[in-house]
Amino acid sequence: SQQGEEDPQALSIQEGENATMNCSYKTSINNLQWYRQNSGRGLVHLILIRSNEREKHSGRLRVTLDTSKKSSSLLITASRAADTASYFCAVTSGTYKYIFGTGTRLKVLA
Amino acid sequence: EAGVAQSPRYKIIEKRQSVAFWCNPISGHATLYWYQQILGQGPKLLIQFQNNGVVDDSQLPKDRFSAERLKGVDSTLKIQPAKLEDSAVYLCASSLDPSDYEQYFGPGTRLTVT
Repeated sequence: SQQGEEDPQALSIQEGENATMNCSYKTSINNLQWYRQNSGRGLVHLILIRSNEREKHSGRLRVTLDTSKKSSSLLITASRAADTASYFCAVTSGTYKYIFGTGTRLKVLA
Repeated sequence: EAGVAQSPRYKIIEKRQSVAFWCNPISGHATLYWYQQILGQGPKLLIQFQNNGVVDDSQLPKDRFSAERLKGVDSTLKIQPAKLEDSAVYLCASSLDPSDYEQYFGPGTRLTVT
């Protein structure tokens, strides 16, 4: 079963606005990652946050992790039309087991 | 550097037929993964190789799916016989090693079983 569950399932915003998506998981993790998938393409790694970290930044991306609530959020600031994609969280637990969530479909309107 | 290569990109077969997918990971990447992504869902790990050994195949339907990574480089995933529910995108990914958690994904093979 999939452990990561993203929320919302779909999000539509105007260019320049911020986009926030959340991920919840069920068990203890080693780390949590966010990936982007453009339509019909493979996944691209965005950012990794380890279980002992609370916040991480990369360019316009900000990721937070709350292990007590078993949740993470991905914030994309000043969104662009090119950010239109599906975003997945993936958790690793045990011995390098990767479990992906169901994804958030983001649409950025120009 | 060259990315993860997969072929074919698209395949249409009838149920009960067999099909094979090929993946060539990034040079030097010891770890190789096969995922199944059904439309509207996230990728599901089918099998993970470390060099030419299997690390995890707990979600691989072994009665019909098989995979190998001879010589620890490229890999093939086979389905025999295919079922309608096998229609999905099959993604291959690689990473330097299991502790290097960033995975690099190929473009995928879209399989349609009719």
